[in-house]
Amino acid sequence: SQKIEQNSEALNIQEGKTATLTCNYTNYSPAYLQWYRQDPGRGPVFLLLIRENEKEKRKERLKVTFDTTLKQSLFHITASQPADSATYLCALLMDSNYQLIWGAGTKLIIKP
Amino acid sequence: GAGVSQSPSNKVTEKGKDVELRCDPISGHTALYWYRQSLGQGLEFLIYFQGNSAPDKSGLPSDRFSAERTGGSVSTLTIQRTQQEDSAVYLCASSRSGWATDTQYFGPGTRLTVL
Repeated sequence: SQKIEQNSEALNIQEGKTATLTCNYTNYSPAYLQWYRQDPGRGPVFLLLIRENEKEKRKERLKVTFDTTLKQSLFHITASQPADSATYLCALLMDSNYQLIWGAGTKLIIKP
Repeated sequence: GAGVSQSPSNKVTEKGKDVELRCDPISGHTALYWYRQSLGQGLEFLIYFQGNSAPDKSGLPSDRFSAERTGGSVSTLTIQRTQQEDSAVYLCASSRSGWATDTQYFGPGTRLTVL
């Protein structure tokens, strides 16, 4: 079955630097891959979706890449700010299916 | 407009008791999802509604879990004879049509603690 791996250790980044988070998956490539942000005590909030035929997607300071050869997605936050501190989750949407398979998330801490 | 709301925000119950968790989706959203999130784990899919019907109940962990949705709106997740392993945050999400690329909007969750 499909599994998703995200670094369980918190990532500490200095304010202003680029933060890069990794999402690795096993087995076959999904049709879509999504990234969400989750703050403590809140539900996840959708950030970006990237399709399997897209290499890169950008939204403001956010950039997502999708490498089906490496079975990996990278999530970048440029010019990071303390307000970017949160847990970031990746989720895979399998083809012709509404069901998302979720990673456990990586906690990002941006230090001023 | 209002987002997805869930109630209660916290529920502490004794082992063996039944609990009901409520979800109010965004008005007009036809698709509704229930997930469970345990500490350090990814979200676990429980059930999906399209309108009032649930085409996929495969994620429900056991027959102690059931869910219904009425009027294409409010949904209730019921856990009977709760066990300690049921302790988790239960999240509800809704999307406009349930189409694969629709954004899912999440509620704040209900934190369930079974003593």
